[in-house]
Amino acid sequence: SQQGEEDPQALSIQEGENATMNCSYKTSINNLQWYRQNSGRGLVHLILIRSNEREKHSGRLRVTLDTSKKSSSLLITASRAADTASYFCATGKGAQKLVFGQGTRLTINP
Amino acid sequence: GAVVSQHPSRVICKSGTSVKIECRSLDFQATTMFWYRQFPKQSLMLMATSNEGSKATYEQGVEKDKFLINHASLTLSTLTVTSAHPEDSSFYICSARAPQGTGGRVFGPGTRLTVL
Repeated sequence: SQQGEEDPQALSIQEGENATMNCSYKTSINNLQWYRQNSGRGLVHLILIRSNEREKHSGRLRVTLDTSKKSSSLLITASRAADTASYFCATGKGAQKLVFGQGTRLTINP
Repeated sequence: GAVVSQHPSRVICKSGTSVKIECRSLDFQATTMFWYRQFPKQSLMLMATSNEGSKATYEQGVEKDKFLINHASLTLSTLTVTSAHPEDSSFYICSARAPQGTGGRVFGPGTRLTVL
């Protein structure tokens, strides 16, 4: 069964605004990862945050993790048209398979 | 960086035929690869874990006789959809663990299968 649930399912904002996506999960994890998928393409790994970390930054991306609430958020600052894509969270335990959330479809309007 | 390729990128076949999809890790070895299926506007569903030199591990509900997986080398895993039917039409994506051990995965570009 799917582990992660993402919110919102779709998000449309103006270029330059910040975009925030949330992910909730159900069981204990070792890490949580965020991926981007452009339409009809494979996934690109964005960032991984470990269960003992609370916040992580990478360029315009900021990820938070709250293990007590079993939730994570991905913030994209100063959005650009090229950020238009679907964003998925994925949870892992151990070194094995990842389970993906339903994804958020982000549209950046010029 | 590490790259995973898939071939073909797109395939259209008649119902009842078998289709083979290749997944290759370029310039790194992947003892384990993962095969996902994605229906339009949906998330990725893990089908099976492919292990080099041993049998694949299938997820619950995935027919191992229909989706044959072979991982004969450290850089190649193949997924064969046998006797394909229209309901097998989907986007198939493989992935491998990034070689630098960061915990992330490297994904192939995907294969769009359309069964007529």
